[in-house]
Amino acid sequence: DAKTTQPPSMDCAEGRAANLPCNHSTISGNEYVYWYRQIHSQGPQYIIHGLKNNETNEMASLIITEDRKSSTLILPHATLRDTAVYYCIVRSTGTASKLTFGTGTRLQVTL
Amino acid sequence: NAGVTQTPKFQVLKTGQSMTLQCAQDMNHNSMYWYRQDPGMGLRLIYYSASEGTTDKGEVPNGYNVSRLNKREFSLRLESAAPSQTSVYFCASSEGGYNEQFFGPGTRLTVL
Repeated sequence: DAKTTQPPSMDCAEGRAANLPCNHSTISGNEYVYWYRQIHSQGPQYIIHGLKNNETNEMASLIITEDRKSSTLILPHATLRDTAVYYCIVRSTGTASKLTFGTGTRLQVTL
Repeated sequence: NAGVTQTPKFQVLKTGQSMTLQCAQDMNHNSMYWYRQDPGMGLRLIYYSASEGTTDKGEVPNGYNVSRLNKREFSLRLESAAPSQTSVYFCASSEGGYNEQFFGPGTRLTVL
Protein backbone atom coordinates (compact mmCIF):
# COMPACT_ATOMS: atom_id res chain seq x y z
CA ASP A 1 0.00 0.00 0.00
CA ALA A 2 1.18 3.52 -0.73
CA LYS A 3 2.62 5.65 2.05
CA THR A 4 0.80 8.77 3.22
CA THR A 5 2.10 12.01 4.73
CA GLN A 6 -0.01 14.21 7.03
CA PRO A 7 0.79 17.21 9.19
CA PRO A 8 1.13 16.14 12.84
CA SER A 9 -1.33 18.71 14.16
CA MET A 10 -3.82 21.37 13.16
CA ASP A 11 -6.14 23.80 14.93
CA CYS A 12 -9.59 24.92 13.83
CA ALA A 13 -12.11 27.31 15.33
CA GLU A 14 -15.51 25.88 16.11
CA GLY A 15 -17.98 26.49 13.31
CA ARG A 16 -15.27 26.88 10.71
CA ALA A 17 -14.38 24.36 8.05
CA ALA A 18 -11.49 22.06 8.90
CA ASN A 19 -9.36 21.13 5.90
CA LEU A 20 -7.03 18.22 6.57
CA PRO A 21 -4.45 17.51 3.85
CA CYS A 22 -2.86 14.22 2.92
CA ASN A 23 -0.09 13.46 0.48
CA HIS A 24 -0.01 10.05 -1.23
CA SER A 25 2.26 10.62 -4.19
CA THR A 26 2.98 6.90 -4.76
CA ILE A 27 -0.65 5.84 -4.96
CA SER A 28 -1.44 3.33 -7.69
CA GLY A 29 -4.49 3.05 -9.89
CA ASN A 30 -6.42 0.50 -7.85
CA GLU A 31 -5.81 2.08 -4.45
CA TYR A 32 -8.52 3.92 -2.56
CA VAL A 33 -8.07 6.79 -0.14
CA TYR A 34 -9.73 6.23 3.24
CA TRP A 35 -10.15 8.51 6.21
CA TYR A 36 -10.70 7.36 9.76
CA ARG A 37 -10.62 9.27 13.01
CA GLN A 38 -9.92 8.30 16.59
CA ILE A 39 -11.50 10.31 19.35
CA HIS A 40 -9.47 10.18 22.54
CA SER A 41 -8.73 6.50 23.18
CA GLN A 42 -11.75 5.03 21.45
CA GLY A 43 -11.63 2.66 18.49
CA PRO A 44 -11.14 4.36 15.12
CA GLN A 45 -14.25 5.47 13.26
CA TYR A 46 -14.68 5.36 9.50
CA ILE A 47 -15.36 8.73 7.89
CA ILE A 48 -15.24 8.46 4.10
CA HIS A 49 -13.35 6.94 1.19
CA GLY A 50 -12.87 7.57 -2.52
CA LEU A 51 -11.01 6.43 -5.61
CA LYS A 52 -10.76 9.45 -7.91
CA ASN A 53 -13.99 11.38 -7.72
CA ASN A 54 -14.83 13.76 -4.92
CA GLU A 55 -17.08 12.23 -2.32
CA THR A 56 -19.46 13.65 0.28
CA ASN A 57 -21.43 12.09 3.09
CA GLU A 58 -23.13 13.32 6.22
CA MET A 59 -19.83 13.61 8.06
CA ALA A 60 -17.39 15.10 5.58
CA SER A 61 -16.24 15.73 2.02
CA LEU A 62 -13.22 14.19 0.36
CA ILE A 63 -11.45 16.09 -2.40
CA ILE A 64 -8.92 14.08 -4.43
CA THR A 65 -6.65 15.89 -6.87
CA GLU A 66 -6.84 14.94 -10.52
CA ASP A 67 -3.43 13.22 -10.41
CA ARG A 68 -4.55 11.45 -7.20
CA LYS A 69 -1.30 12.31 -5.44
CA SER A 70 -3.00 14.21 -2.66
CA SER A 71 -6.37 14.65 -1.03
CA THR A 72 -8.15 16.86 1.50
CA LEU A 73 -10.72 15.88 4.07
CA ILE A 74 -13.16 18.69 4.77
CA LEU A 75 -15.28 18.91 7.90
CA PRO A 76 -17.62 21.75 6.85
CA HIS A 77 -18.59 23.06 10.30
CA ALA A 78 -16.20 21.72 12.90
CA THR A 79 -17.44 21.24 16.46
CA LEU A 80 -15.61 20.48 19.68
CA ARG A 81 -16.64 16.83 19.24
CA ASP A 82 -14.57 16.68 16.06
CA THR A 83 -11.37 17.01 18.11
CA ALA A 84 -9.56 13.76 17.27
CA VAL A 85 -6.66 12.18 15.43
CA TYR A 86 -7.47 11.85 11.73
CA TYR A 87 -5.83 9.11 9.68
CA CYS A 88 -5.47 9.17 5.92
CA ILE A 89 -4.95 5.64 4.59
CA VAL A 90 -4.33 4.33 1.11
CA ARG A 91 -5.72 0.89 0.67
CA SER A 92 -5.58 -1.66 -2.12
CA THR A 93 -8.22 -4.13 -3.11
CA GLY A 94 -8.41 -7.65 -1.77
CA THR A 95 -10.62 -9.98 0.14
CA ALA A 96 -9.35 -8.66 3.44
CA SER A 97 -7.74 -5.37 2.60
CA LYS A 98 -5.64 -4.29 5.49
CA LEU A 99 -5.50 -0.77 6.89
CA THR A 100 -2.04 0.67 7.47
CA PHE A 101 -2.28 3.48 10.00
CA GLY A 102 0.34 6.20 10.20
CA THR A 103 0.47 8.69 13.05
CA GLY A 104 -2.27 10.90 11.58
CA THR A 105 -3.15 14.56 12.18
CA ARG A 106 -4.28 15.65 15.60
CA LEU A 107 -7.09 18.16 15.01
CA GLN A 108 -7.88 20.47 17.91
CA VAL A 109 -11.16 22.36 17.57
CA THR A 110 -11.33 25.39 19.83
CA LEU A 111 -13.99 27.89 20.89
CA ASN B 1 -26.92 -4.09 17.42
CA ALA B 2 -23.91 -4.01 19.73
CA GLY B 3 -21.46 -3.85 16.81
CA VAL B 4 -18.02 -5.07 17.85
CA THR B 5 -17.55 -6.03 21.47
CA GLN B 6 -14.30 -6.83 23.26
CA THR B 7 -13.56 -8.40 26.61
CA PRO B 8 -11.98 -7.63 28.93
CA LYS B 9 -11.73 -3.82 28.89
CA PHE B 10 -8.66 -3.77 31.12
CA GLN B 11 -6.13 -6.44 32.12
CA VAL B 12 -2.89 -6.54 34.06
CA LEU B 13 -0.62 -9.54 33.60
CA LYS B 14 2.73 -10.60 34.95
CA THR B 15 5.51 -11.52 32.55
CA GLY B 16 5.06 -15.09 31.37
CA GLN B 17 1.35 -15.32 32.06
CA SER B 18 -1.05 -16.18 29.27
CA MET B 19 -4.44 -14.78 28.38
CA THR B 20 -7.00 -14.63 25.60
CA LEU B 21 -8.66 -11.46 24.37
CA GLN B 22 -12.17 -12.02 23.08
CA CYS B 23 -13.88 -10.24 20.21
CA ALA B 24 -17.37 -10.69 18.80
CA GLN B 25 -19.37 -8.92 16.11
CA ASP B 26 -23.08 -9.08 15.37
CA MET B 27 -23.03 -7.54 11.89
CA ASN B 28 -22.57 -10.83 10.00
CA HIS B 29 -19.23 -9.59 8.67
CA ASN B 30 -16.88 -11.93 6.86
CA SER B 31 -13.56 -10.35 7.86
CA MET B 32 -12.14 -9.68 11.30
CA TYR B 33 -8.91 -8.06 12.47
CA TRP B 34 -6.73 -7.57 15.51
CA TYR B 35 -4.64 -4.40 15.90
CA ARG B 36 -2.41 -3.03 18.62
CA GLN B 37 -1.79 0.62 19.40
CA ASP B 38 1.20 1.78 21.40
CA PRO B 39 1.29 5.28 22.93
CA GLY B 40 1.55 8.04 20.33
CA MET B 41 1.46 5.55 17.46
CA GLY B 42 -1.03 4.50 14.83
CA LEU B 43 -2.60 1.06 14.87
CA ARG B 44 -0.61 -1.93 13.65
CA LEU B 45 -2.22 -5.09 12.33
CA ILE B 46 -1.42 -8.26 14.27
CA TYR B 47 -3.57 -10.89 12.55
CA TYR B 48 -6.63 -10.94 10.38
CA SER B 49 -9.23 -13.42 9.20
CA ALA B 50 -10.60 -12.86 5.72
CA SER B 51 -13.40 -15.33 6.27
CA GLU B 52 -14.49 -18.02 8.69
CA GLY B 53 -11.85 -20.74 8.81
CA THR B 54 -8.94 -18.62 7.59
CA THR B 55 -6.35 -16.54 9.42
CA ASP B 56 -3.27 -14.67 8.22
CA LYS B 57 -0.40 -12.76 9.77
CA GLY B 58 -0.33 -9.01 9.74
CA GLU B 59 2.50 -6.61 10.41
CA VAL B 60 3.37 -7.65 14.00
CA PRO B 61 2.28 -11.28 14.63
CA ASN B 62 5.16 -12.48 16.82
CA GLY B 63 4.07 -13.55 20.29
CA TYR B 64 0.40 -13.91 19.36
CA ASN B 65 -1.97 -16.58 18.13
CA VAL B 66 -5.52 -16.22 16.88
CA SER B 67 -8.60 -18.37 16.47
CA ARG B 68 -11.58 -17.64 14.26
CA LEU B 69 -14.02 -19.60 16.38
CA ASN B 70 -16.99 -18.98 14.09
CA LYS B 71 -18.22 -16.15 11.91
CA ARG B 72 -18.96 -13.96 14.94
CA GLU B 73 -15.90 -14.51 17.11
CA PHE B 74 -12.18 -13.91 16.69
CA SER B 75 -9.89 -14.35 19.68
CA LEU B 76 -6.29 -13.26 20.27
CA ARG B 77 -4.05 -15.27 22.58
CA LEU B 78 -0.84 -14.26 24.30
CA GLU B 79 0.89 -17.49 25.31
CA SER B 80 3.67 -15.93 27.38
CA ALA B 81 3.13 -12.23 27.92
CA ALA B 82 6.07 -9.83 27.76
CA PRO B 83 6.29 -6.16 28.82
CA SER B 84 6.67 -5.25 25.13
CA GLN B 85 3.09 -6.42 24.63
CA THR B 86 1.76 -3.68 26.87
CA SER B 87 -0.61 -1.89 24.53
CA VAL B 88 -4.20 -1.17 23.62
CA TYR B 89 -5.70 -3.93 21.49
CA PHE B 90 -8.49 -3.22 19.03
CA CYS B 91 -10.61 -5.72 17.21
CA ALA B 92 -12.40 -4.77 13.98
CA SER B 93 -14.71 -6.36 11.44
CA SER B 94 -15.82 -5.63 7.91
CA GLU B 95 -17.71 -7.12 5.00
CA GLY B 96 -14.32 -7.42 3.32
CA GLY B 97 -12.94 -5.85 0.18
CA TYR B 98 -13.30 -2.09 0.15
CA ASN B 99 -15.88 -1.91 2.90
CA GLU B 100 -15.13 0.08 5.99
CA GLN B 101 -13.93 -1.57 9.17
CA PHE B 102 -15.87 -1.21 12.39
CA PHE B 103 -13.79 -1.12 15.54
CA GLY B 104 -14.43 -2.27 19.07
CA PRO B 105 -13.73 -0.15 22.18
CA GLY B 106 -10.35 -1.75 22.85
CA THR B 107 -8.66 -3.77 25.60
CA ARG B 108 -6.01 -1.99 27.64
CA LEU B 109 -3.34 -4.54 28.55
CA THR B 110 -0.43 -3.94 30.90
CA VAL B 111 2.29 -6.56 31.31
CA LEU B 112 4.48 -6.08 34.38
